[in-house]
Amino acid sequence: KQEVTQIPAALSVPEGENLVLNCSFTDSAIYNLQWFRQDPGKGLTSLLLIQSSQREQTSGRLNASLDKSSGRSTLYIAASQPGDSATYLCAVRPALGNQFYFGTGTSLTVIP
Amino acid sequence: NAGVTQTPKFRVLKTGQSMTLLCAQDMNHEYMYWYRQDPGMGLRLIHYSVGEGTTAKGEVPDGYNVSRLKKQNFLLGLESAAPSQTSVYFCASSYEVGTLIYEQYFGPGTRLTVT
Repeated sequence: KQEVTQIPAALSVPEGENLVLNCSFTDSAIYNLQWFRQDPGKGLTSLLLIQSSQREQTSGRLNASLDKSSGRSTLYIAASQPGDSATYLCAVRPALGNQFYFGTGTSLTVIP
Repeated sequence: NAGVTQTPKFRVLKTGQSMTLLCAQDMNHEYMYWYRQDPGMGLRLIHYSVGEGTTAKGEVPDGYNVSRLKKQNFLLGLESAAPSQTSVYFCASSYEVGTLIYEQYFGPGTRLTVT
């Protein structure tokens, strides 16, 4: 079974700082990896999806990278803003099967 | 285009009662999923469907049943609710083009409390 880990569980940074969130997975045979944002009491909003054949994806101030061989993905947020405060989750879809496996998330607080 | 919607948003049940959660999507997606989210445990897949009339078990299927009679709807049933089923339930959908499976879209969630 795929295990997905996100460290740290919580992160607090001052506004304007660049930051990196980590996601690691135990089985490198993946189909794709997706990063989400979740605001308190809300559903999940998709941020970036990386297919297994890709190394990175970018959207605005966000950049996600994927290194399958080491079982790692990072989400880079440039010039953080208070509005970026949320929980960030990664989800991995294995190469076989239809399930997605989620990490427990990193709770980000950006201090004005 | 409403995306993925869930009904109801909140519900309180007594132990042993039954209920059905409804998920609807208007994006013509083939794949639909039911997850539960519990503190410290992340999202866990309960059941999923790869198309109308199909269902399959996920990671934590016990105590739940599902049906996908129409492509746009995915129902999650609790036949005899237990306090351990207190959770936030999320529905999601996704689609496939050729060999590429695209991103999941999530509903707003249903907060269920079983007393």
